[in-house]
Amino acid sequence: QQQVKQSPQSLIVQKGGIPIINCAYENTAFDYFPWYQQFPGKGPALLIAIRPDVSEKKEGRFTISFNKSAKQFSLHIMDSQPGDSATYFCAAGARGAQKLVFGQGTRLTINP
Amino acid sequence: DGGITQSPKYLFRKEGQNVTLSCEQNLNHDAMYWYRQDPGQGLRLIYYSQIVNDFQKGDIAEGYSVSREKKESFPLTVTSAQKNPTAFYLCASSITTGINYEQYFGPGTRLTVT
Repeated sequence: QQQVKQSPQSLIVQKGGIPIINCAYENTAFDYFPWYQQFPGKGPALLIAIRPDVSEKKEGRFTISFNKSAKQFSLHIMDSQPGDSATYFCAAGARGAQKLVFGQGTRLTINP
Repeated sequence: DGGITQSPKYLFRKEGQNVTLSCEQNLNHDAMYWYRQDPGQGLRLIYYSQIVNDFQKGDIAEGYSVSREKKESFPLTVTSAQKNPTAFYLCASSITTGINYEQYFGPGTRLTVT
C-alpha cells in the first residue's frame, strides 16, 4: 500500500510533442505529490508538486494532473525540447510519514 | 548560497575498506536522508533522520551506518559488510513542520569499490 507505480519505464518523443508520465498510488493518506527531474550524474531536482485539493497545476511547460478518485497523477510536458531529456521520478508523501515514497522513474528522450 | 553539499563527487576504494561519505546542508532542515541509486534504477532509501541524535533504517540499511551529531551534517559510512557498494549515493534534506515537506537533493557521490 506504500508503493507508487510509475509508467512507462522509458519514453521517446519528438521535439514539440507532449510526453505524459503516469503514477498511481493506493495509500489514501498521501497528501503531497512531487515530481523530480534528474540529469545523468546529477541529483534529482524538485520540478513541481501538487496537493489533492486541486486537480491541475502548471509551472511553465510542466503540468501535473491529479485524479483523486482514481488515485492517479501524471506529468505533462508541453512543447517538449531535447533539453528535457532526463529521468523523471514521481513521489508521494503523507503528513507525519517522515519520508517520501518514490516511483521507479521514467527515462524520457526528446528527439530533435 | 543555501543548499546541500556532498563530498567528494567521486570516490574510489578497495574492497574490504570502510568509507565515509559526507553530507552537509545549510537550509536549516530538520530531516536528512540517504539514498542509493544503481544505473538505470530508482531511489532506494538507506537511512533517514528527523532530529539530531536520532535516525531510522530505510529499506536497504544493511552494510551501512550513519550518525547525526549536528543538524547540518549526516555522514554515511559504507562498511565492508555491504556486498555491492558501488553505486551513486544521494543525500537529501527536508523540513518537517506544517504542510511543507519538499525534499531537496545534493549533487551525489559516485562510489566505486574494486
